Amino acid sequence: AAGVIQSPRHLIKEKRETATLKCYPISRHDTVYWYQQGPGQDPQFLISFYEKMQSDKGSIPDRFSAQQFSDYHSELNMSSLELGDSALYFCASVSVGPGGEQFFGPGTRLTVL
Amino acid sequence: KQEVTQIPAALSVPEGENLVLNCSFTDSAIYNLQWFRQDPGKGLTSLLLIQSSQREQTSGRLNASLDKSSGRSTLYIAASQPGDSATYLCAVPSYSGAGSYQLTFGKGTKLSVIP
Repeated sequence: AAGVIQSPRHLIKEKRETATLKCYPISRHDTVYWYQQGPGQDPQFLISFYEKMQSDKGSIPDRFSAQQFSDYHSELNMSSLELGDSALYFCASVSVGPGGEQFFGPGTRLTVL
Repeated sequence: KQEVTQIPAALSVPEGENLVLNCSFTDSAIYNLQWFRQDPGKGLTSLLLIQSSQREQTSGRLNASLDKSSGRSTLYIAASQPGDSATYLCAVPSYSGAGSYQLTFGKGTKLSVIP
């Protein structure tokens, strides 16, 4: 079965530009999580969606927004990019439930110049 | 708030040695615990998931144990190989309502296996 798909895999932007990251969860997974991993850091939770509704927000800047669509894919929109936004961005999908294993995508490496 | 700690931060061992990585968490009311492997600049590969009702989980040369009451988990790697060199992270889900169980990660143990 196909895993979690993220696109693009690499993205280079200038300061103050916008970026859109896409995540396609595993088939029949209705929950998506977004994480940000800065250089040398552990992944930090940004935002999650369950059944196309936002379920929780973590340390996500107001410049970022996200949504989950009817086909369960999710997009993370980032505006007014700053140098500090350079990081690996992961999404993970899971079947709903407390015991669910989170499956991670390969990540999008965003570089802001 | 859940906090996850991993010790040691880095470990260097000769090839063939057995080794143990440690993970501790502050809130013992967990649903499960996941161990991940991450190669430099790459994604997170799930190695093992232990449910809260389990004490051990095995996959090949990997064995993970869980002691909820003491807030600890260990990842045992048998007969280490140079290809095992990577950063190993443990993570536990924190429930915040509306079906969200975001993971809290430790800072990882960077493992180097010397040929």
